[in-house]
Amino acid sequence: ETGVTQSPTHLIKTRGQQVTLRCSSQSGHNTVSWYQQALGQGPQFIFQYYREEENGRGNFPPRFSGLQFPNYSSELNVNALELDDSALYLCASSLGTGAGNIQYFGAGTRLSVL
Amino acid sequence: GENVEQHPSTLSVQEGDSAVIKCTYSDSASNYFPWYKQELGKGPQLIIDIRSNVGEKKDQRIAVTLNKTAKHFSLHITETQPEDSAVYFCAASPNSGYALNFGKGTSLLVTP
Repeated sequence: ETGVTQSPTHLIKTRGQQVTLRCSSQSGHNTVSWYQQALGQGPQFIFQYYREEENGRGNFPPRFSGLQFPNYSSELNVNALELDDSALYLCASSLGTGAGNIQYFGAGTRLSVL
Repeated sequence: GENVEQHPSTLSVQEGDSAVIKCTYSDSASNYFPWYKQELGKGPQLIIDIRSNVGEKKDQRIAVTLNKTAKHFSLHITETQPEDSAVYFCAASPNSGYALNFGKGTSLLVTP
């Protein structure tokens, strides 16, 4: 076990709704990265939070947003859900953003958009 | 941006045989190349990684090789066991703490 926990494990939403996914980082880790993994694909980087600030973003629209709290836990929010948002959402935590910091993944939240 | 290609997409070997998975990348700024194993219902787990100042790294039955000139790296698993069955992902990044660019994965099946 990596010590990275995500909730909920599964979620079903309808198109147009909004969703919030949560991630608790491993103890002592100040960096959280979020990834989207479509079925049969590799994870795709959404964005990273370092000490409560966004520290880089992948090719995802603004309706994907995030937060990081003082305890370094994090939320991923998706507005105006689309069918293509159905995927496994993974968060990964690390001790920092620089070289030498390994990213440890949680088990993910499976989101289904109907 | 970085583009990582991974082959093969599926691989079936008999227990005890070796398995090799290959990846290529496009961005010469990439310096960190991890391999993750993902079992059903779990998140990816790091099994080995290599940085650009090293050409090969080994950890028991697992080894990774890197050719920076050709921009490709490979995972080698020897003496495969049924518990090695999983999906394996390669990734590339300028550094380990930042955005990882993943390949599409290889589904490895080890049959007894």
